[in-house]
Amino acid sequence: AQSVTQLGSHVSVSEGALVLLRCNYSSSVPPYLFWYVQYPNQGLQLLLKYTSAATLVKGINGFEAEFKKSETSFHLTKPSAHMSDAAEYFCAVTLSGDMRFGAGTRLTVKP
Amino acid sequence: SQTIHQWPATLVQPVGSPLSLECTVEGTSNPNLYWYRQAAGRGLQLLFYSVGIGQISSEVPQNLSASRPQDRQFILSSKKLLLSDSGFYLCAWSPWPMNTEAFFGQGTRLTVV
Repeated sequence: AQSVTQLGSHVSVSEGALVLLRCNYSSSVPPYLFWYVQYPNQGLQLLLKYTSAATLVKGINGFEAEFKKSETSFHLTKPSAHMSDAAEYFCAVTLSGDMRFGAGTRLTVKP
Repeated sequence: SQTIHQWPATLVQPVGSPLSLECTVEGTSNPNLYWYRQAAGRGLQLLFYSVGIGQISSEVPQNLSASRPQDRQFILSSKKLLLSDSGFYLCAWSPWPMNTEAFFGQGTRLTVV
């Protein structure tokens, strides 16, 4: 079955610095890939998704991710971190109905 | 527009008691439905998913079960709760057959005491 691995359970950046959250996928064929954000005690909100169209995907709140088949990666970036970006981020993959998530990366933004 | 309802928001249950968490979706037909459990620092674990009425796929062996009695209703149950069942349970749906993004409920915080 397909799966995703998120490298780094915690990432800390300064406000205004680049945000880079890493995700690698494992799948026999190119899957659909997603990034979600979760704030405390809430459900998950979609940031962006890759569905085999453009490899560079732009999402909400200034986030973007690039699908790299050669590296089986789908890393999430944002040029300049804001305090409100502090949350937990999940990468997810789906092929045929079963959507699977990574372990999550907690992003801390320092003033 | 589509909405997903999940309840209750919080639940405290004694060990050995039964469990029933309900999730309903409005505004769409034949959705894929999911139950996830989120334990502290362990991401989202897919427990069950369903692509149609009566069609349930179980991901992990455990004392939980799921049922889909109606097209837009998904129920998570247990006959006897264990301490290890504590966690944050999330219901989600995705459109069929496009199988694009999943939309999540607000979650249920279950504490087994």
